[in-house]
Amino acid sequence: TQLLEQSPQFLSIQEGENLTVYCNSSSVFSSLQWYRQEPGEGPVLLVTVVTGGEVKKLKRLTFQFGDARKDSSLHITAAQPGDTGLYLCAGGHNQGGKLIFGQGTELSVKP
Amino acid sequence: GAVVSQHPSWVICKSGTSVKIECRSLDFQATTMFWYRQFPKQSLMLMATSNEGSKATYEQGVEKDKFLINHASLTLSTLTVTSAHPEDSSFYICSASPPGLATGEQYFGPGTRLTVT
Repeated sequence: TQLLEQSPQFLSIQEGENLTVYCNSSSVFSSLQWYRQEPGEGPVLLVTVVTGGEVKKLKRLTFQFGDARKDSSLHITAAQPGDTGLYLCAGGHNQGGKLIFGQGTELSVKP
Repeated sequence: GAVVSQHPSWVICKSGTSVKIECRSLDFQATTMFWYRQFPKQSLMLMATSNEGSKATYEQGVEKDKFLINHASLTLSTLTVTSAHPEDSSFYICSASPPGLATGEQYFGPGTRLTVT
């Protein structure tokens, strides 16, 4: 059974601080996605990484895929209250196939 | 981007009744859709994979006779919760992956909040 271990599960920080969320597995994935979800809404895709060692940036968010394609990280610089939400990593293997989700990280950024 | 809709966004029903939730891909055709269940502040739990024109594939522990899935067209999948009980109260979310995306990312509907009284 493939698992994605996501940590930390809860994070409460002050506005302006930096943070990193980790997603680790013993399995290799063809791609890994990061989603953000707000209460009462569906997850929204932030980024997909597919190449080992790949780094993608989305404004203050930096996503990295491990060289072996077994792990990934999300780094947020100078967090803002608008970053508050549930962050989910998910690993996949092919188009149309099911995703393996991490446990999620509940982020709260206080002003 | 790809858009997936769900209807209704919330529903309240009495114990013992059935509820149908619709999932539509609005700007692409989806041969496969996925149904998830989510409890507060937790991750998504895959319930089943909905396959157009064939039977759904259920995850271990999910009762297929209780959660009926019908994928009758390339843009519509439905989940029917039969003989609902309070423990079925949850947030149900569907997703689909547009064809031609080798990376396999999924696009999610806005979810349906089911409350069984």
